[in-house]
Amino acid sequence: QKEVEQNSGPLSVPEGAIASLNCTYSDRGSQSFFWYRQYSGKSPELIMSIYSNGDKEDGRFTAQLNKASQYVSLLIRDSQPSDSATYLCAVNRMNRDDKIIFGKGTRLHILP
Amino acid sequence: EPEVTQTPSHQVTQMGQEVILRCVPISNHLYFYWYRQILGQKVEFLVSFYNNEISEKSEIFDDQFSVERPDGSNFTLKIRSTKLEDSAMYFCASTQGQSWGSSPLHFGNGTRLTVT
Repeated sequence: QKEVEQNSGPLSVPEGAIASLNCTYSDRGSQSFFWYRQYSGKSPELIMSIYSNGDKEDGRFTAQLNKASQYVSLLIRDSQPSDSATYLCAVNRMNRDDKIIFGKGTRLHILP
Repeated sequence: EPEVTQTPSHQVTQMGQEVILRCVPISNHLYFYWYRQILGQKVEFLVSFYNNEISEKSEIFDDQFSVERPDGSNFTLKIRSTKLEDSAMYFCASTQGQSWGSSPLHFGNGTRLTVT
C-alpha cells in the first residue's frame, strides 16, 4: 500500500465550480497534513496545514481531515483558471520517523 | 516574506562528476531538508538535518550523497559521482517547528540537475 495516495487526474472543473481533491494515507499515527500547489517546473507552495479532525477554511480553500478514515481532502471554491496546477498532499509520519511524505499529486485543470 | 534561496537554478554536469547544490534556508529556521523530484514523478524525501547533523535519510541518500552546513547560513548537498538517474529537480526546504514534521516545509525554487 502506498503511503500517501492521490488520484493523478487530470481533474477537469469548470471555472466558478468547486474542485474536490482527495488523499488517503496509510500510517494511522500521522499527525500533520499539508496541501501544496505546484505549477509545472516550479517548487511546491503551501496552501493549507491541518492537524485535527474536521474542516479548516482559508479563503476559497477548505481542508478536511478524518483521521479515523485516514482521509484528507481539499475543496477549492469558485475555481479560477489560475488554480490549474498539481496539488500535492503531504503527511508527516510522526510515529515512525517524522518525515514529511508526499503523494504523487492530482493535476487540476480549470476550464474557462 | 523570508524565503529559501537555492543556487544554481540549473546545473548541467557530466556523469561521474561531483556537484554541489547550495541553499540558504530562512534565517530563523532550525530544520533543513533536501527533496528531489524526477520529471513527472513525486517529490521524494532525501535527508533531514538538525543541530549540525543528519536526522533522517532515505534509501536514496547513499554514500554518494552528503550534506553540510559549512557556516551559519548555507546548507549544501553534494553528489560525489553523478549518475544519469540523478537528473532531477532538487528542492531545499526548511521549517521552524518545535518538532519534526509538525510545521510545514518552506521550499526553495529548486535546482534542476541534468546529468549527461
